[in-house]
Amino acid sequence: EAGVAQSPRYKIIEKRQSVAFWCNPISGHATLYWYQQILGQGPKLLIQFQNNGVVDDSQLPKDRFSAERLKGVDSTLKIQPAKLEDSAVYLCASRPTPGQGGIGELFFGEGSRLTVL
Amino acid sequence: QKEVEQNSGPLSVPEGAIASLNCTYSDRGSQSFFWYRQYSGKSPELIMSIYSNGDKEDGRFTAQLNKASQYVSLLIRDSQPSDSATYLCAPEPPSGSRLTFGEGTQLTVNP
Repeated sequence: EAGVAQSPRYKIIEKRQSVAFWCNPISGHATLYWYQQILGQGPKLLIQFQNNGVVDDSQLPKDRFSAERLKGVDSTLKIQPAKLEDSAVYLCASRPTPGQGGIGELFFGEGSRLTVL
Repeated sequence: QKEVEQNSGPLSVPEGAIASLNCTYSDRGSQSFFWYRQYSGKSPELIMSIYSNGDKEDGRFTAQLNKASQYVSLLIRDSQPSDSATYLCAPEPPSGSRLTFGEGTQLTVNP
């Protein structure tokens, strides 16, 4: 079974530029999460999708961050314009629908490391 | 009050010792509790889940849950250098949304 795919793995941009991250979850996983992890901190939830609907985006800085999950599969997270404090690893995770088996764990991609100069 | 609080680290134990990692959470309705391990530069991976009060053992790992005290812990017996990582606690609210992670406890096991 293929895991969660993310790209790009690394991105360096200057402040005020824009960047987009892509995530392809495990096939059949209805729930998709984007987390931001700053060095030395735990992952912070930015947005949670159930299929193509938003379940929670209360911690997404909507003035500069946007995310979408078209057709309930792939997802894109965009930052525009980027700030220095956006330097972090952006983790995408997916989770099977309850009842599909498993124990409810999140499966994480390898992450996209963003450096804003 | 933070949603999830973990004992501050870093925690250092000698090889073969027991490492104790603690976590408290604020949402009394939380039903599912997860411990993830994150090696430096890697993504988190699930090592334990617990849903009922009491202990759950899996090899060298034991998770303990006390919902009345809003407390969950992870014990690692016979700690090995390969256990050196950051351990993240994640209680899940009953609504199924906002799976929030603690800040993590960095564990170092010294040979």
